[in-house]
Amino acid sequence: DAGVIQSPRHEVTEMGQEVTLRCKPISGHNSLFWYRQTMMRGLELLIYFNNNVPIDDSGMPEDRFSAKMPNASFSTLKIQPSEPRDSAVYFCASSLKTGNSPLHFGNGTRLTVT
Amino acid sequence: DQQVKQNSPSLSVQEGRISILNCDYTNSMFDYFLWYKKYPAEGPTFLISISSIKDKNEDGRFTVFLNKSAKHLSLHIVPSQPGDSAVYFCAAMSSGSGYALNFGKGTSLLVTP
Repeated sequence: DAGVIQSPRHEVTEMGQEVTLRCKPISGHNSLFWYRQTMMRGLELLIYFNNNVPIDDSGMPEDRFSAKMPNASFSTLKIQPSEPRDSAVYFCASSLKTGNSPLHFGNGTRLTVT
Repeated sequence: DQQVKQNSPSLSVQEGRISILNCDYTNSMFDYFLWYKKYPAEGPTFLISISSIKDKNEDGRFTVFLNKSAKHLSLHIVPSQPGDSAVYFCAAMSSGSGYALNFGKGTSLLVTP
């Protein structure tokens, strides 16, 4: 079990550039979550998918943010255009949507927008 | 609005003593609660959970207590070890409205030798 894999681990980009964060969930997990961690707001849920379908994207801060899950083993979170206030650590997590199985997190992508 | 609150940003405890981390929640629909542990540069890892039908769950050195009337839960670590030094996140969910977790801002625990 390789766990949830996120790439890149670090991303530094200039304001206005497009940023794409990637996530490979644990094989067999059918729910996928994107969280953002900042000092001010802690861990915030951005969006989650069940069986590749977006269920709740109410946490996505603006239209500049979009997420896709084209298949069960891959998801992307895109920010276009990026702004300095988007700087944060972005975590992807997956779980089995059965009962109350816990979320398994990746190691995150630290995004810095200058 | 923060539905899960951890009011102590940090806690320092001596090795061998008990660590008590506290968490409050506001949403009465929450029926499942979890604690996660996070080391620097890693993602949070699941530690222990409790369903709202219970008031205590124990796993080795870790025990979680739930007081539904007070909307309060706590994590007890005894005895505390230096390796327990990490950030601890409290999380809650409502099974009836999806499986997304609401997290507190975390408490940084330092266990000193």
